[in-house]
Amino acid sequence: GQQLNQSPQSMFIQEGEDVSMNCTSSSIFNTWLWYKQDPGEGPVLLIALYKAGELTSNGRLTAQFGITRKDSFLNISASIPSDVGIYFCAGRHLSRSQGNLIFGKGTKLSVKP
Amino acid sequence: SQTIHQWPATLVQPVGSPLSLECTVEGTSNPNLYWYRQAAGRGLQLLFYSVGIGQISSEVPQNLSASRPQDRQFILSSKKLLLSDSGFYLCAWSVSSGLTDTQYFGPGTRLTVL
Repeated sequence: GQQLNQSPQSMFIQEGEDVSMNCTSSSIFNTWLWYKQDPGEGPVLLIALYKAGELTSNGRLTAQFGITRKDSFLNISASIPSDVGIYFCAGRHLSRSQGNLIFGKGTKLSVKP
Repeated sequence: SQTIHQWPATLVQPVGSPLSLECTVEGTSNPNLYWYRQAAGRGLQLLFYSVGIGQISSEVPQNLSASRPQDRQFILSSKKLLLSDSGFYLCAWSVSSGLTDTQYFGPGTRLTVL
C-alpha cells in the first residue's frame, strides 16, 4: 500500500533557528496537508496544498507541494518555544477516495530557549 | 464557525467491557466524518469514515465498529475491549464537496484498557 516517509523523526534546535522537514511518497499524491499536534490534543491544520508546485505560507510557516507530486516540505522560520510539538504530513493518493488520507509518522520538534 | 467535540476526554476500561465514544460537529451540515486511532503519540491510523447518515466504511478489520445515527454525530463502539484497543482516538470532519481532503480534528479521547 501507499506509505509516507517523513523526516527527520525528531529535531532539537535553538530558538531563532529555521526548521525544515519533509515527506516523500513512492507514488503520486493529489493532496498534501501539514498538521501540528500538542501533547494530549488533536492535530491542528497548518497548511493544505492541492496543486503541484503550490507554495503556501501561514505566518512563519511555508509549505510546498512538490512538482513530482511525490513530496512536500514544511519550513518554519525563526523558531520560538511554542513551536514545540509533533508535526505530521498527510496526503491522499490519487487512487483513494476524497478524504481518505495517509499520515506520516511525525517529526517531533524541540526548541531550546 | 465549526466546532467538533469528543467525549469522554479520558476513559479507563477493563478488558472485555463495552465501549462507546461520541463525536459531534457543530456549524456545518452533512460533513464527512472520520475516526482515527493514534498509538504512542505517533502516526494516525484511519479506522472508519462516513459520508452520510448510516453510511460507514471500515478501513481496518478490528474489534471496533462505528455508527452515524444523526448527520453530525459519529459513534465508535466495541462490545468487548481488548488490551490492544488502548490508544488516543481522534474524530475528524471535512466538508462533503469541494476540497474534502482538509480534515479538522477533535480534541481526542485517551482510552486505557486494563
